[in-house]
Amino acid sequence: AQKITQTQPGMFVQEKEAVTLDCTYDTSDPSYGLFWYKQPSSGEMIFLIYQGSYDQQNATEGRYSLNFQKARKSANLVISASQLGDSAMYFCAMSSPIYNFNKFYFGSGTKLNVKP
Amino acid sequence: NAGVTQTPKFQVLKTGQSMTLQCAQDMNHEYMSWYRQDPGMGLRLIHYSVGAGITDQGEVPNGYNVSRSTTEDFPLRLLSAAPSQTSVYFCASSFLSGRATDTQYFGPGTRLTVL
Repeated sequence: AQKITQTQPGMFVQEKEAVTLDCTYDTSDPSYGLFWYKQPSSGEMIFLIYQGSYDQQNATEGRYSLNFQKARKSANLVISASQLGDSAMYFCAMSSPIYNFNKFYFGSGTKLNVKP
Repeated sequence: NAGVTQTPKFQVLKTGQSMTLQCAQDMNHEYMSWYRQDPGMGLRLIHYSVGAGITDQGEVPNGYNVSRSTTEDFPLRLLSAAPSQTSVYFCASSFLSGRATDTQYFGPGTRLTVL
């Protein structure tokens, strides 16, 4: 069965430092996607980055990068040069193809606090 | 593009009342879905639709009904609200290209309290 695990309920990081948010997944599908979303205190879900299971290179989007280790089934989010505005909940998600659409599975989230 | 819109943003209901949460998207996405988010948990899928006239249940469908008469709209109905339905509700949409990396885009959420 598909499952996403985020083992860090909360994390602190000093402003301007890098931080890694952990995510492990479980699936037997050969084709899947891995996503990270940010949820600030205002509540909306903001898409950050994705990685396809067949992608050879780790995905990057600005200060966000996804450290994809397929054999370990991990998809950690790395935020470089943390900013105060990065304080938020972060959710890891996996898409699993069912017929012609993708079913999403979400982790329980990690609350990141960036300290000045 | 407005993206995915949801109304209302906040709602308080009494037990047994009914209401409809509205969701609309202007991105011509075939796939639309409703999630609920509870404290300490990720998002859980309530219902989804892969096109007008086609809906199916997610992992927590009990107490909710949906319909999809147009590509743009996907309302969620609570027939008889219960305190256990107090939650934040998100609507999301995506294309149906068949690729695993089809990204879901979320609306701003509706915070529902059932007394």
